[in-house]
Amino acid sequence: DGGITQSPKYLFRKEGQNVTLSCEQNLNHDAMYWYRQDPGQGLRLIYYSQIVNDFQKGDIAEGYSVSREKKESFPLTVTSAQKNPTAFYLCASSETGGGGNIQYFGAGTRLSVL
Amino acid sequence: SQKIEQNSEALNIQEGKTATLTCNYTNYSPAYLQWYRQDPGRGPVFLLLIRENEKEKRKERLKVTFDTTLKQSLFHITASQPADSATYLCASDSGGYQKVTFGTGTKLQVIP
Repeated sequence: DGGITQSPKYLFRKEGQNVTLSCEQNLNHDAMYWYRQDPGQGLRLIYYSQIVNDFQKGDIAEGYSVSREKKESFPLTVTSAQKNPTAFYLCASSETGGGGNIQYFGAGTRLSVL
Repeated sequence: SQKIEQNSEALNIQEGKTATLTCNYTNYSPAYLQWYRQDPGRGPVFLLLIRENEKEKRKERLKVTFDTTLKQSLFHITASQPADSATYLCASDSGGYQKVTFGTGTKLQVIP
């Protein structure tokens, strides 16, 4: 089955700890994205990557870091500098070019602070 | 700065009626608008895309319009069913960047 796989589904972070959220895709898409969703709010872009070994900050990148060493993988690290990390995190991918940038999403990771 | 807004946080509608959701944009001219469905605790699922040179797009019971004069897109679900209850998100391109900007969503509840 083609798609986006996010893991884990639930994650708990202790204060001062860095945690990494996994995102893998087998859609052969060049572009990948990380969004944060808070209750009753829309999706806010954290980071995005148009191609391997390149990524750009989104609207709320502070306290987060990413890497894009392989086309299929775009892990997100929530660092201890992110003071309010509790949220629903969504990874997505899309084709590049003139296809309208349709976003294909994973099932999400819910991060909570202990 | 450019903004995309869905003014209704929630919409309740009787089963069988047509649900109409609104998405407005300001301070830019998007090349396209997208609509997604999101169920609780799950990722959004793409439904429809409409480009700036298209007035209307249909898919089964779904219809979306794009009015560049009013700077608005309307999303219609005809013959609505309780299974249509979900949050619907609109999104647009971000002026040439490889990313989209999402509205905050409208939670639709279809009452049997």
